[in-house]
Amino acid sequence: AQKVTQAQTEISVVEKEDVTLDCVYETRDTTYYLFWYKQPPSGELVFLIRRNSFDEQNEISGRYSWNFQKSTSSFNFTITASQVVDSAVYFCALSEDTGGFKTIFGAGTRLFVKA
Amino acid sequence: DTGVSQDPRHKITKRGQNVTFRCDPISEHNRLYWYRQTLGQGPEFLTYFQNEAQLEKSRLLSDRFSAERPKGSFSTLEIQRTEQGDSAMYLCASSDDRGNQPQHFGDGTRLSIL
Repeated sequence: AQKVTQAQTEISVVEKEDVTLDCVYETRDTTYYLFWYKQPPSGELVFLIRRNSFDEQNEISGRYSWNFQKSTSSFNFTITASQVVDSAVYFCALSEDTGGFKTIFGAGTRLFVKA
Repeated sequence: DTGVSQDPRHKITKRGQNVTFRCDPISEHNRLYWYRQTLGQGPEFLTYFQNEAQLEKSRLLSDRFSAERPKGSFSTLEIQRTEQGDSAMYLCASSDDRGNQPQHFGDGTRLSIL
């Protein structure tokens, strides 16, 4: 069965600090996709990144970076030099290739960045 | 491309009433998804369509819930005989059908049951 665990419910940092959001997933499939979405206070979920299970290469996009490790079933997200605008709820999600594109979301991590 | 739009943004109704929500996906997207999100939780998958075909339904979708996408464009989600526990944000998303693509979400419809 699919499962996504985001153990950190809330994180509070001061602007310019680095912060890592953890995501651990469970799946029996060998082919699957992992996603991160951001939900700002305005409410609309915004796609950040997609990773397939065969691509463990880490990715960096500006201040954002992602660390995918199949050995530990983790797909962690780091924000470098956080800014107030990064304050949001961040969701990790999993979609199995044999699951008919159903996507399972974690419970989310609420990030507060204080000025 | 105006994004995914949902109507209404808010719906307040009395317990026992029927409600219907509408979702207009991004025009070139063949896949359309419905989710429910309660406070402090991630979106929970309800159902999804490939064009007009409803391909999967979650066990969360009781027989009081029905979704349609009659012409493969917009979709409606109807809840009959609403209950207190139906109060939530109902999210619609769409994606194209090339493999497992990221989903584009609408702003949601917030349902409050009195």
